[in-house]
Amino acid sequence: GAGVSQSPRYKVTKRGQDVALRCDPISGHVSLYWYRQALGQGPEFLTYFNYEAQQDKSGLPNDRFSAERPEGSISTLTIQRTEQRDSAMYRCASSFLRAGVSEQYFGPGTRLTVT
Amino acid sequence: QQPVQSPQAVILREGEDAVINCSSSKALYSVHWYRQKHGEAPVFLMILLKGGEQKGHDKISASFNEKKQQSSLYLTASQLSYSGTYFCGTALIQGAQKLVFGQGTRLTINP
Repeated sequence: GAGVSQSPRYKVTKRGQDVALRCDPISGHVSLYWYRQALGQGPEFLTYFNYEAQQDKSGLPNDRFSAERPEGSISTLTIQRTEQRDSAMYRCASSFLRAGVSEQYFGPGTRLTVT
Repeated sequence: QQPVQSPQAVILREGEDAVINCSSSKALYSVHWYRQKHGEAPVFLMILLKGGEQKGHDKISASFNEKKQQSSLYLTASQLSYSGTYFCGTALIQGAQKLVFGQGTRLTINP
């Protein structure tokens, strides 16, 4: 079956612009996670959803970052007024079970470059 | 609190064994292990739960020492395909879905 997909795969934007990153989880997966991964580092938690409800957004760096999953499937991570420090790989993951003991399937990521 | 992985990097010859450790200063409920190859997404290996058994498949296994709050990943008779960066992700309480990942251990297997 299809895995987690993300779009766009690459995004170059100018400082100050808004960007929207999309994640399409594996069909039927209840939970969806957003991470940011710097080169050579582990994924850094941003936020997660169970169905359409955002359960934890403690990892969002500031109020320029927001995420939604309105119908419990596709999710969008939005960064407003982008800054150069926002440049990173943004990864989405999904899991079948809501409990924290199920494996997460990661998507290919969106490489964001802010110039 | 980010778990600490050791070593940061290791280079082996094919067929040799490796151990990667993941330590936390806080009590853990679960430890999740992932492998990431260059330019690819992390791929799930296994989960260990507090009070659970050592797990493994093929020649990769892991253990969870509750007293030390440490998990170890064992790669036996390593194969070229084992090369990549290994990450542990930790959850502090039962049911917690937020994972905090370590900084990774880069494993290189040479022929």
